[in-house]
Amino acid sequence: NAGVTQTPKFRVLKTGQSMTLLCAQDMNHEYMYWYRQDPGMGLRLIHYSVGEGTTAKGEVPDGYNVSRLKKQNFLLGLESAAPSQTSVYFCASSYWGALYEQYFGPGTRLTVT
Amino acid sequence: AQKVTQAQTEISVVEKEDVTLDCVYETRDTTYYLFWYKQPPSGELVFLIRRNSFDEQNEISGRYSWNFQKSTSSFNFTITASQVVDSAVYFCALTPTTDNNAGNMLTFGGGTRLMVKP
Repeated sequence: NAGVTQTPKFRVLKTGQSMTLLCAQDMNHEYMYWYRQDPGMGLRLIHYSVGEGTTAKGEVPDGYNVSRLKKQNFLLGLESAAPSQTSVYFCASSYWGALYEQYFGPGTRLTVT
Repeated sequence: AQKVTQAQTEISVVEKEDVTLDCVYETRDTTYYLFWYKQPPSGELVFLIRRNSFDEQNEISGRYSWNFQKSTSSFNFTITASQVVDSAVYFCALTPTTDNNAGNMLTFGGGTRLMVKP
């Protein structure tokens, strides 16, 4: 099992550009999450999904959109990137009965100039 | 609303010293889970421990131990005889329990950067 993978690992964008971050998991997990990590603030939840075709907002959803068309994939989109979205993005997944443990991907470092 | 506070932003110790990382939380939920994660310099998040709010027993795993005190809303983490490989950022996190056991967000503290010098 590859676990949770994230594509790309690094990306530099210019203000106003758009991009999509891909998260994939091969563990058949129902639940998937996108977090962002900023210095001194820990990880904050952007959006999450409790199943294929469903998404919900987290703590800091503004400026992001998500889609979960397939159970194994969770996409995070930035339609018009801003410097405030410079961050490290982590995807995570979990399953019913996991007792709330989440399995994290390796992270994507995004810089918006 | 939930909140997790890790007041120590950075700690520096010399190898073989013991070190305690503090975690204080706020929640209105009566049942919840607490976690500690480690983030080494390579960047990935490594799960260390999960603790149910009903279980206040302290836990020891090798050089690691955890002290959960519901009365003071604290879940502190101690590393005994620290090693250079313990250098990392450590996160405390909280989630309320739900019917489905998983579909909930984790609320993270800001993290404590531990530097262990040889």
